[in-house]
Amino acid sequence: GIQVEQSPPDLILQEGANSTLRCNFSDSVNNLQWFHQNPWGQLINLFYIPSGTKQNGRLSATTVATERYSLLYISSSQTTDSGVYFCAVDQAGTALIFGKGTTLSVSS
Amino acid sequence: DTAVSQTPKYLVTQMGNDKSIKCEQNLGHDTMYWYKQDSKKFLKIMFSYNNKELIINETVPNRFSPKSPDKAHLNLHINSLELGDSAVYFCASSQDLGGAAYNEQFFGPGTRLTVL
Repeated sequence: GIQVEQSPPDLILQEGANSTLRCNFSDSVNNLQWFHQNPWGQLINLFYIPSGTKQNGRLSATTVATERYSLLYISSSQTTDSGVYFCAVDQAGTALIFGKGTTLSVSS
Repeated sequence: DTAVSQTPKYLVTQMGNDKSIKCEQNLGHDTMYWYKQDSKKFLKIMFSYNNKELIINETVPNRFSPKSPDKAHLNLHINSLELGDSAVYFCASSQDLGGAAYNEQFFGPGTRLTVL
């Protein structure tokens, strides 16, 4: 089955710093989503981005489907950005296959 | 106006008991899912239902039985609970766009199951 790899596994930042999270996948996909799991365990949809670039406030994402990777950019990080960021892909309009996540800690 | 809701949020029970987790979505979606998040935070699909029909049934013990009374509900019943069933269970839903078309999934708040 398709493999989803996220890097780095852990990231520690000072408030105000920028960061880039990467998601590589081993086969073509029809759907790619980025999620933020906050410290309370909620999975929050960040981007639905099978291809192209999207921006939402301080966050933006780019997926290059032909090269099988996606990037999530976080600018001017805040303590509320802490948590786990998941990339998940779907090949056939069915279930999402998740990466292992990047754990982000932002300190003030 | 919660989109995908689950009850209960926390469930603590003894080994050997039978328990159910309920999920409801008010997004008008056709497809619903159950995912399991283990202690290492790895998320994995368990089941998928489309219009009350089982679509995906991953390698899950048959002690787990999903039931979809209608398009808006997908419940998870677990028999003879074991210590290894302790995890967070997430319900999700998406709109069926047909074939391999794109369909964004939305997740419920999760149910933390602890088996003692």
